[in-house]
Amino acid sequence: DARVTQTPRHKVTEMGQEVTMRCQPILGHNTVFWYRQTMMQGLELLAYFRNRAPLDDSGMPKDRFSAEMPDATLATLKIQPSEPRDSAVYFCASGFSGGADEQYFGPGTRLTVT
Amino acid sequence: GQNIDQPTEMTATEGAIVQINCTYQTSGFNGLFWYQQHAGEAPTFLSYNVLDGLEEKGRFSSFLSRSKGYSYLLLKELQMKDSASYLCAVRDYGTDKLIFGTGTRLQVFP
Repeated sequence: DARVTQTPRHKVTEMGQEVTMRCQPILGHNTVFWYRQTMMQGLELLAYFRNRAPLDDSGMPKDRFSAEMPDATLATLKIQPSEPRDSAVYFCASGFSGGADEQYFGPGTRLTVT
Repeated sequence: GQNIDQPTEMTATEGAIVQINCTYQTSGFNGLFWYQQHAGEAPTFLSYNVLDGLEEKGRFSSFLSRSKGYSYLLLKELQMKDSASYLCAVRDYGTDKLIFGTGTRLQVFP
């Protein structure tokens, strides 16, 4: 049963600390997405990769956030320095480019910045 | 710009039928998706429409009218487990990006 995995599932950190979230997409998928979900804003796209190349990170605060795909089995989202307003659930999703194929979401990382 | 609207909350009774509407205005369109999200869980795929008309999948159906920028998700024979948020998302033309609405929280009562 193929699924997207994310680590950690929960993270509590203090303001100013670096946070790294990891995602393993489903094997064979060629697109990876990072989303942030809050009660106020809903699900927002932060970054998007196709065939490991970053295609769109316009939704991401560039001064503190960075997203990478060092290889096809790993995507990372880093926040440095973290701020309380970054508290949210961060989802990674993967899929195939185009067609009717849906995005498959990981379980999410619940981040709390105090 | 892109704008997706759906009601914030709806309630319904077990066994009933409920229709969740979604209207969208996007600069490009390449399909509309519905996702279900239970509290504390990840969104899961329900349906996909790219052509006008109705797609039926068991108790769930989804309709699309591209000329009106309108879709709905129809849930029949409601069960308690259908209590969840339902997210409408439009895929941007030429990319794989999904733009999500803020979701409709559905509560099913006995």
